[in-house]
Amino acid sequence: ELKVEQNPLFLSMQEGKNYTIYCNYSTTSDRLYWYRQDPGKSLESLFVLLSNGAVKQEGRLMASLDTKARLSTLHITAAVHDLSATYFCAVDMSGYGNKLVFGAGTILRVKS
Amino acid sequence: ETGVTQSPTHLIKTRGQQVTLRCSSQSGHNTVSWYQQALGQGPQFIFQYYREEENGRGNFPPRFSGLQFPNYSSELNVNALELDDSALYLCASSLGPWAFFGQGTRLTVV
Repeated sequence: ELKVEQNPLFLSMQEGKNYTIYCNYSTTSDRLYWYRQDPGKSLESLFVLLSNGAVKQEGRLMASLDTKARLSTLHITAAVHDLSATYFCAVDMSGYGNKLVFGAGTILRVKS
Repeated sequence: ETGVTQSPTHLIKTRGQQVTLRCSSQSGHNTVSWYQQALGQGPQFIFQYYREEENGRGNFPPRFSGLQFPNYSSELNVNALELDDSALYLCASSLGPWAFFGQGTRLTVV
C-alpha cells in the first residue's frame, strides 16, 4: 500500500525566511504533485513532477523530485504572508491515471 | 477557475439517508476521480471513472457508488449515510498528467 508522509505538519515562519517541506513516499512512482489549499477552498495545482531530477519553480516556490530516494521537496524562498495555506503532496498510484494518494498536508503560517 | 464545477456546494443530510453529488468535468476530460477530505486531513481516493467505466477504487465500502455520463459529467452516490461521511467531497477531471479539482461539496451528516 502506497503511503505518503509529509513533514513538518505545521510550519510557522517569519516573512523573508526560507524553508523546505518534505514529502516521502513508500513505493515506486515517477509522478508527484503539489497542491495548495486555502481554508474552506478546493485544491489549487502548483506543480506536477514527472521524472527523476525534475525541478519546477513558480515565484517563491520550487519543487523537486528524487525518485530513487522517493522524496520530493517544496522549497519556499523569502516567504510572504500570501503563501499562508495548507500544502499537500500527492503521488499517483497508477502511474498514468491520476489516482492520487495524498500526504496529510503541511499548514504554513507566515507571520509579518 | 479550473472548469470543474460541483453541485451542490453545501448539503446537510440525516444519518441513514442517501445523497447524490454531481460533477461537471472540464471540457474534453474523459477521466474523473472522486475524493473524500475529512476535516484536517488530506483527500482520500474514492474511485475513478474513465469513459463511463469504473477504473479503480480506493478503500471505501460499496455504499459509495458512482456514474459517469457520455458527456463525462459524473455523480457520486452515498447510501445509508453515517456521521463519519461528513466531509468535503472533491471531484477531479483529468486528461494527461494534470488533475483539476472542483470547488467541492461540503456534506454534513447529522
